[in-house]
Amino acid sequence: DIQMSQSPSSLSASVGDEVTLTCRASQTIISYLNWYQHKVGQAPRLLISAASTLQSDVPSRFSGSGFGTDFTLTISSLQLEDFATYYCQQSYTTPYTFGQGTKLEIK
Amino acid sequence: QVQLQQSGPGLVKPSGTLSLTCAVSGGSISSSDWWSWVRQPPGKGLEWIGEIYHSGISNYKSSLKSRVTISVDKSKNLFSLKLTSVTAADAAVYYCARRSIAPDAFHIWGQGTVVTVSS
Repeated sequence: DIQMSQSPSSLSASVGDEVTLTCRASQTIISYLNWYQHKVGQAPRLLISAASTLQSDVPSRFSGSGFGTDFTLTISSLQLEDFATYYCQQSYTTPYTFGQGTKLEIK
Repeated sequence: QVQLQQSGPGLVKPSGTLSLTCAVSGGSISSSDWWSWVRQPPGKGLEWIGEIYHSGISNYKSSLKSRVTISVDKSKNLFSLKLTSVTAADAAVYYCARRSIAPDAFHIWGQGTVVTVSS
């Protein structure tokens, strides 16, 4: 199975900050990397697919990049509604696997 | 707009069978998408369980394969999950999700069902 590792596991930041979350795959997944936002009591929400494609309903302050094994999710100018847990997920091959998540907390 | 509505019991006895259903509305289950189940144990991350195509082709996580069955009912536009011989380790929030292939991601999710394993 492809292992997905996210760092940091948690991050404290303030409204208006820019943050970068990292995801690493145990082998190349080309660009088959997706990012989800997950809030307690809600279903996960797809933010970015194929490493860098922003979903139509997602604010432009979110951006993704990377190729191969190393990927990043950047949120510029954090808003209150952005504090949540973020997961990366590879769709290169089954079993589809998720990272352990990065919990973004308010400082 | 496709929506997924989950149903099923939130309490399952140890060694019993977990059964959940996911009804698809606003679209057809016979589209070119895969229909998946994902779970999140308490305090842990997301775990893909398996998926099915409307033709009946399915893929499962190998560690669960002996206990999992995902099925599709095209006449009712829904798909289902059955997990047998459950233990406390199977307690989780279970989500159904639609995996589109272009791009390849879980675009639509059900509301989630909290499943507790207890006698």
